Amino acid sequence: EAQVTQNPRYLITVTGKKLTVTCSQNMNHEYMSWYRQDPGLGLRQIYYSMNVEVTDKGDVPEGYKVSRKEKRNFPLILESPSPNQTSLYFCASSWLGVAGVGSRELFFGEGSRLTVL
Amino acid sequence: SQQGEEDPQALSIQEGENATMNCSYKTSINNLQWYRQNSGRGLVHLILIRSNEREKHSGRLRVTLDTSKKSSSLLITASRAADTASYFCATDASNDYKLSFGAGTTVTVRA
Repeated sequence: EAQVTQNPRYLITVTGKKLTVTCSQNMNHEYMSWYRQDPGLGLRQIYYSMNVEVTDKGDVPEGYKVSRKEKRNFPLILESPSPNQTSLYFCASSWLGVAGVGSRELFFGEGSRLTVL
Repeated sequence: SQQGEEDPQALSIQEGENATMNCSYKTSINNLQWYRQNSGRGLVHLILIRSNEREKHSGRLRVTLDTSKKSSSLLITASRAADTASYFCATDASNDYKLSFGAGTTVTVRA
């Protein structure tokens, strides 16, 4: 079954304790992206990757890191989480269309709800 | 940056009625997509419409695109309780790798 898998689904942590949210897709997609969703703000892009070892900042990258060492995996790292990073996080992946990522549908994971105390 | 804005923010309708929501965006786009999100779940792609298309259908969904007004509408006909969800439009402003989402329209279908 084609899917994007995120872990953990729920996490409560404390300020400053490093954490990693993993994301894995089994569709051989080139493009992967992280979004955060906050009430009234929709989805905001954190980082994206066009392929292995190619990553770039989205609209809200501060406080986050990513890596793309393998095509299927795109972990999101919070080196020193703060309460303003409490949010619902989504990983998404897609094939890359010749006209940009907007020409192909995004496949989303089920989300990771993070609370930073 | 948030490109699309959905309107209304929330919509409540009776089962069997039609639901219409709109998306407006600021800059020229190549494509516009609509997604559905059931409460707390991941987003699911519904339909994609390209900038050179004016209307597209998929089952009970009809999407229109008016590039002169920088707006799109999503119509769900003969709504069902299972259509209760939030609906988001997403746009790509150029040939890049960003897909920008609006804040969504929350649709409640009453039995």
